[in-house]
Amino acid sequence: GEDVEQSLFLSVREGDSSVINCTYTDSSSTYLYWYKQEPGAGLQLLTYIFSNMDMKQDQRLTVLLNKKDKHLSLRIADTQTGDSAIYFCAERMDSSYKLIFGSGTRLLVRP
Amino acid sequence: DSGVTQTPKHLITATGQRVTLRCSPRSGDLSVYWYQQSLDQGLQFLIQYYNGEERAKGNILERFSAQQFPDLHSELNLSSLELGDSALYFCASSVVAGDQYEQYFGPGTRLTVT
Repeated sequence: GEDVEQSLFLSVREGDSSVINCTYTDSSSTYLYWYKQEPGAGLQLLTYIFSNMDMKQDQRLTVLLNKKDKHLSLRIADTQTGDSAIYFCAERMDSSYKLIFGSGTRLLVRP
Repeated sequence: DSGVTQTPKHLITATGQRVTLRCSPRSGDLSVYWYQQSLDQGLQFLIQYYNGEERAKGNILERFSAQQFPDLHSELNLSSLELGDSALYFCASSVVAGDQYEQYFGPGTRLTVT
């Protein structure tokens, strides 16, 4: 079935690392994405990982994929107040081009 | 700026009415997707068009319809509106090249049904 789960809320101190976790159920997922949504704004594509990869690094962002456990995480290094937003994990199945989204994790960065 | 444009930004209308939301994909993108974001349902895929043809359908109500025109812009038509249709409606377009598959979202249209 299609289901993507995320924890609802994460609070970190400015300068610390943030880790946002996501689990998905469909083993046929080929691409897994992280999007950021700031208040009143649209969805910004942050990064994505192809299912044959374990890790992808892009500046302050590190994505880790554990296919066996169907677990995806997004690590943000040196978290800044501007990183405060809702982060959505999404999967794309091999058979379809649509994205299945999690419910989003609200990240609050405390000064 | 993702390159996907949507109009209008905000729309307020009454129950029973019909509205049309418009989307222009990024230059060169042939696929357009519509999503609905509401507090109770989260982000839900509605429908996809590819080069003018419907490609996939999600949780789209029968009161809703969409089309993609020869210039690749798309319209989402919502009719017999109900209070529960109040939501953010996003359009996205995608680029597919080899292993690359990226879906870019527009800023959304916020629909309020009163």
